[in-house]
Parts: sequence; C-alpha cells; structure tokens
Amino acid sequence: EVQMVESGGGLVQPGGSLRLSCAASGFTVDGNYISWVRQAPGKGLEWVSVIYRGGITYYADSVKGRFTIYRDNSKNTVYLQMNSLRPEDTAVYYCAREFCSTDNCYMANWGQGTPVTVSS
Amino acid sequence: SYVLTQPPSVSVAPGETATITCGGDSIGGRSVHWYQQRPGLAPVLVIHYDSDRPSGIPERFSGSNSGNMATLTISRVEAGDEADYFCQVWDSSSDHRVFGGGTKLTVL
Repeated sequence: EVQMVESGGGLVQPGGSLRLSCAASGFTVDGNYISWVRQAPGKGLEWVSVIYRGGITYYADSVKGRFTIYRDNSKNTVYLQMNSLRPEDTAVYYCAREFCSTDNCYMANWGQGTPVTVSS
Repeated sequence: SYVLTQPPSVSVAPGETATITCGGDSIGGRSVHWYQQRPGLAPVLVIHYDSDRPSGIPERFSGSNSGNMATLTISRVEAGDEADYFCQVWDSSSDHRVFGGGTKLTVL
C-alpha cells in the first residue's frame, strides 16, 4: 500500500529553520517525482518544490533560495529544509507522489500534512 | 507565470449537477488535473488528464477541457461531495506546478 507520512512541523520564530520529512512506503522515492505543496490557513493549495527521479529540483519563486528539497534513498524519505522562515510560510505542508507523462505531471498520492507556524 | 482562475464558490441541491470551471489562457492545450479536499483532510485526485478518473472515483465525476476553460462536472451531487475543488496544470516553461485558487462546493 502506498503511504506518505510527513513530520517535522512545528512553531518556529521568523528567520529560523525547520526540516520537514516525508517518509514513503509502498514505492521508492528515487523512482518517483515527489512534490511539496503547502496550504496557508483558510487559503488554497500552493506548490512549493519538486525533486525528479534524476535528482533535478525546482522551486516556487516564493521559496527559491530559502528552501532545499533533497532525499535519502536509504531511508526512502524526502526532506524539505526551510531556512530564513517568514510568517507567510505558515501553512500545512503536504508531500505528494507524482505520476508524469512526457508533457505533464499530476499528484496521485498525498500525505496527511504537517503544520508549520512561523511566529514570534 | 501561468494563472488558473476558479469561482470561489458553487452551490447545488442534492441530486443536481455541479459544474466547476477553471479558466486559463489556451488551457485546452494543456492537461488539467482536479483534486477534492474535504474539510481537515488532504487533497485527493479525482480527475487527471482532463477527463480520466482514478480507480475508486465514482463515475459521477467527469471532466472536460477546451479553449480557455476546463470543467469539472459532478452529477447527482451528494452531501459527501461538499468540499473544496482545485484544478492544476504543469507549466512546461518553468517545470512549475500551478493550482487554481479553489472552489468551495456547497450542497444545499
């Protein structure tokens, strides 16, 4: 059974750092595309970052230079390292496994999310 | 960057048909995916590649995409369909994923 479990969220002060984890089971993270998506309180979904099978990464403009996505194949886990956090980064963070064709990708499986609050 | 526009809310009576739109420049030339998010839960894929239903999604859910508008249609709406619905595309120029703002479906 495919399962994705996020962890690592919590309360952090502005300017601080946090590392989120997305532990996968039922598939290998290095054989898939994995995205992070966030949802601010009462708002819609915002794509944050993706890591491709080959290790290529992409970031939303709002987090580029502050967030880093990477994976540990031995732990079958994808991470999101978040630095220089701002209050506007407050959200529930979801990881999602993507299925991709040659010209498109969709998010087939989602974790339950982990909340991040950036506040003093 | 590419922008997707959804109506903030749609209301429909039980048993009727709900239509949720997703507008974007020449969106008919892209593949559109739809997600349902019930309150307090993670999103769930309900339509991919404009009109394909993943296994386990009722046939009442269907999709179409042409011109500047993609549409999610829910037939014979049930109380359990009350949720937020988001459209999504892949922006090939940047490899970014783009979501619409979401539509809250209320079952009267």
